[in-house]
Amino acid sequence: QKEVEQNSGPLSVPEGAIASLNCTYSDRVSQSFFWYRQYSGKSPELIMSIYSNGDKEDGRFTAQLNKASQYVSLLIRDSQPSDSATYLCAVNPDLGAGTALIFGKGTTLSVSS
Amino acid sequence: EPEVTQTPSHQVTQMGQEVILRCVPISNHLYFYWYRQILGQKVEFLVSFYNNEISEKSEIFDDQFSVERPDGSNFTLKIRSTKLEDSAMYFCASNGGQTISGNTIYFGEGSWLTVV
Repeated sequence: QKEVEQNSGPLSVPEGAIASLNCTYSDRVSQSFFWYRQYSGKSPELIMSIYSNGDKEDGRFTAQLNKASQYVSLLIRDSQPSDSATYLCAVNPDLGAGTALIFGKGTTLSVSS
Repeated sequence: EPEVTQTPSHQVTQMGQEVILRCVPISNHLYFYWYRQILGQKVEFLVSFYNNEISEKSEIFDDQFSVERPDGSNFTLKIRSTKLEDSAMYFCASNGGQTISGNTIYFGEGSWLTVV
């Protein structure tokens, strides 16, 4: 069974610090990876996608992918209290367009001011 | 910015009743999905729909569930005889699907279903 694993947290960081969120996945052929942010009672909101090994930066967010280790991470620089949310890692398990994503349980991040 | 819209935002229904949740996906998208999230649990895939038919479904999507695209814009999820354990947030989502880099799923705001 294809699995996406995340530490549920909570991960607590002070305002201005770097938050590091990690995710591993079981299916080696997975090709695309996504980070969503979900505030309590709200829908998942896409933060970043990554398809190639290495780093991808977008503002304060950096996604890192290592397919050999089946590992994807999200770094949030200069963390703000508004970043406090649950971060969902999602994986597209095959090459097909439109394939449903598999989600991890999410990591809850708490940024204290 | 285009968005996925869902109705109702919240519905309370009696056990055994039928429920229809409605969605309007992003207009030029090709793939449509229903996911659910039981309170405190992870987002779970139910079903995907492409070219007017189900393309993929999970074990959760049993005979009590059905999906339909009755016209060019709406996408519906029907639960025939609701159970207490169907209480969850149901998310509709859509995907343009043209290329791997466009293979991004966008979610609606969700329909919170409470079965009593």
